[in-house]
Amino acid sequence: AQSVSQHNHHVILSEAASLELGCNYSYGGTVNLFWYVQYPGQHLQLLLKYFSGDPLVKGIKGFEAEFIKSKFSFNLRKPSVQWSDTAEYFCAVNSNYQLIWGAGTKLIIKP
Amino acid sequence: NAGVTQTPKFRVLKTGQSMTLLCAQDMNHEYMYWYRQDPGMGLRLIHYSVGEGTTAKGEVPDGYNVSRLKKQNFLLGLESAAPSQTSVYFCASRTRALAGGPYTGELFFGEGSRLTVL
Repeated sequence: AQSVSQHNHHVILSEAASLELGCNYSYGGTVNLFWYVQYPGQHLQLLLKYFSGDPLVKGIKGFEAEFIKSKFSFNLRKPSVQWSDTAEYFCAVNSNYQLIWGAGTKLIIKP
Repeated sequence: NAGVTQTPKFRVLKTGQSMTLLCAQDMNHEYMYWYRQDPGMGLRLIHYSVGEGTTAKGEVPDGYNVSRLKKQNFLLGLESAAPSQTSVYFCASRTRALAGGPYTGELFFGEGSRLTVL
């Protein structure tokens, strides 16, 4: 069965630092990949998604992710984080009717 | 533009009590889902539905029941609440893939329902 791994459970950065959050899924074929964000006390919102085409996907708020098929990876990046990026980030992959979720990464940005 | 609405938002139960969480969506989505979110465990799928009148078990269905009598509503029931069911519950919905057409796959989430079982 498909599974999703997020390598870091907690990440602490200072403002203006660069960010990369890892995400790997377990097997290939055609995949649809997602990053969702959950700000404190809020519900999950879509950051970006990959379905096909350009493997470098740009999302909202300056986030981007790169799909590397050979590495089964879909890492999330941001060149310069802000305090408002403090949130929990979830990677997910489409599987039949469901999304398979990673455990999430809590990101704390120090002002 | 309501999107996905969950009620209630907060509830405290005693062990053995029953309750129902209601999820309503106004986007005409075919697929609806109930998740629970616990610290360090991400989102775990409880039950889901791919259309009116159909439901299916997810990853952690034990102790829960669901019904989808109307396309816009998806109910999650706890027949006899246990402390292990203390969690935040999220409902989500999305459209289905159309043959030959665009498919976003995006899930739209409700605000969450925080349930505490004493």
